[in-house]
Amino acid sequence: GAVVSQHPSRVICKSGTSVKIECRSLDFQATTMFWYRQFPKQSLMLMATSNEGSKATYEQGVEKDKFLINHASLTLSTLTVTSAHPEDSSFYICSARQGAEAFFGQGTRLTVV
Amino acid sequence: DAKTTQPNSMESNEEEPVHLPCNHSTISGTDYIHWYRQLPSQGPEYVIHGLTSNVNNRMASLAIAEDRKSSTLILHRATLRDAAVYYCILSLTQGGSEKLVFGKGTKLTVNP
Repeated sequence: GAVVSQHPSRVICKSGTSVKIECRSLDFQATTMFWYRQFPKQSLMLMATSNEGSKATYEQGVEKDKFLINHASLTLSTLTVTSAHPEDSSFYICSARQGAEAFFGQGTRLTVV
Repeated sequence: DAKTTQPNSMESNEEEPVHLPCNHSTISGTDYIHWYRQLPSQGPEYVIHGLTSNVNNRMASLAIAEDRKSSTLILHRATLRDAAVYYCILSLTQGGSEKLVFGKGTKLTVNP
């Protein structure tokens, strides 16, 4: 089946720095990808829809200047957490759809210290 | 947004069938019903989806009520590897893209 790969799987960064997370569709093209965030013992929260070649669409309450999304090719979307703070520590997950089925990356656990 | 309601948790014994319910009373005629599951520290995994008719695949069966206001995911023989959080989701099309908005899900515990 289709595979979506995320990198890195874990990252620890200092408060105030920026972190980039990559999401790749390995064997299919994805004009749209989705970014989610998940806090411990909570459900996934949709942050934004990443559109190839155009601006991302952010969900209400998600700061677009803090969570920069770039979807420069049909197989790669990146999420950059800018000026990270400890409250940004979370599990970030991307997904891409192929037909009716969504494929999810393995997630990136971000810890801001 | 179309919303779903699921029990917070359920428990099953290994090798027994499991019926995971989901209520979606505000479903619209074009909403598909999707089920995903998530193991700890992993991304969600597709289980099954349907529109009106019952569906079967190698992982599970999906029984959809005639009025589509509820559905049930059926795992025919639970294994320890089926222990996960199961999410029932209605696909939502906005701005031309169909996105999946997750609810709280049902945490399934499988006892050996």
